[in-house]
Amino acid sequence: AQSVAQPEDQVNVAEGNPLTVKCTYSVSGNPYLFWYVQYPNRGLQFLLKYITGDNLVKGSYGFEAEFNKSQTSFHLKKPSALVSDSALYFCAVRGTYSGAGSYQLTFGKGTKLSVIP
Amino acid sequence: KAGVTQTPRYLIKTRGQQVTLSCSPISGHRSVSWYQQTPGQGLQFLFEYFSETQRNKGNFPGRFSGRQFSNSRSEMNVSTLELGDSALYLCASSRTGAGGDTIYFGEGSWLTVV
Repeated sequence: AQSVAQPEDQVNVAEGNPLTVKCTYSVSGNPYLFWYVQYPNRGLQFLLKYITGDNLVKGSYGFEAEFNKSQTSFHLKKPSALVSDSALYFCAVRGTYSGAGSYQLTFGKGTKLSVIP
Repeated sequence: KAGVTQTPRYLIKTRGQQVTLSCSPISGHRSVSWYQQTPGQGLQFLFEYFSETQRNKGNFPGRFSGRQFSNSRSEMNVSTLELGDSALYLCASSRTGAGGDTIYFGEGSWLTVV
């Protein structure tokens, strides 16, 4: 089975400060890792993904994430937070082959990010 | 390029009724999956379709079903609605559903069961 843990239900950060949203994962095969953001009453928006290669992945809106295989982590980061970054962030993993060409995507519980002006 | 389109966006149903939700994937995407999102359970996988075949299913009762058409459009149906079925239902599409394939989500269908 595969799983994702987002240890913080909420992260508060001052505008202009760097932000980190934590994610650890467990998967039997090679991990494919994703970050999504959800604004109130909206669907999920894709931010970035790690497939292979460089451990530092750059994505949309200035976000980046660092893949650490030994720590099984994929933390989301941004050098300078904006108030408009306030939203719900989900980490997700794919890796376990479910058969018939399918790789199920498993999500963490989500972390609410609040950027304080 | 149009994104994933879900209809209806909002609906209210009575306990015991059934509901059908519709999803049009991004053009060229053949894998469509469905998720249920609730405050208590978070995002839970319902099922995935590829080329009109269900190839993966989550841990939901048989009241939850779906199908995919030849144009990759998909529908999901919930019969005998229960209060606990109130949730945001998200449809997502990707090209093939392979491991590194990016999944794109629609805006969701908000279902309220009264």
